Amino acid sequence: EAGVAQSPRYKIIEKRQSVAFWCNPISGHATLYWYQQILGQGPKLLIQFQNNGVVDDSQLPKDRFSAERLKGVDSTLKIQPAKLEDSAVYLCASSLYQRSTDTQYFGPGTRLTVL
Amino acid sequence: TQLLEQSPQFLSIQEGENLTVYCNSSSVFSSLQWYRQEPGEGPVLLVTVVTGGEVKKLKRLTFQFGDARKDSSLHITAAQPGDTGLYLCAGEGDKIIFGKGTRLHILP
Repeated sequence: EAGVAQSPRYKIIEKRQSVAFWCNPISGHATLYWYQQILGQGPKLLIQFQNNGVVDDSQLPKDRFSAERLKGVDSTLKIQPAKLEDSAVYLCASSLYQRSTDTQYFGPGTRLTVL
Repeated sequence: TQLLEQSPQFLSIQEGENLTVYCNSSSVFSSLQWYRQEPGEGPVLLVTVVTGGEVKKLKRLTFQFGDARKDSSLHITAAQPGDTGLYLCAGEGDKIIFGKGTRLHILP
């Protein structure tokens, strides 16, 4: 079974530029998550989708971050404009449903450096 | 605001020793999960605990959920170099939250 795919793996941009990350979840998984993991910290949930609807985006900085999951499969996370403090690893995860006991499978992440 | 505090932050021990790491909160969680994360990879789920007082074993790893569902511990028996990594706990309350992790290094 293929895992969660993310691209790019690494991205370096200058502040005020825009960037987009892509995630392809495990086939058939209804729930998709985007997390931000700053160096030395645990992942922080940014947004959770159930199929193509948003379940929780309470910690997404909506003035600069946006995410979509068209057709309930792939997802993109965009930052516009980027700030220095956005430097982090952006992790995508998926699970079969959204029950708390469902296993979340994480992708390898995209490491973003904002200069 | 719900928080999960993990301790210790760093732990370096010799192969063969036993260790326990902790995950504490003042909040109640409906479930708690432990993950291990290696450099350049996403976290991998080790276990989910749901019931207060629950104990689960995974080979040399023993996980316990506190009676009040506010805290958890991970005990490793006879640690091996392959256990090296970042151990994260995550709780589900109003939302999913992660602790900052315990970085474990097992010396051969």
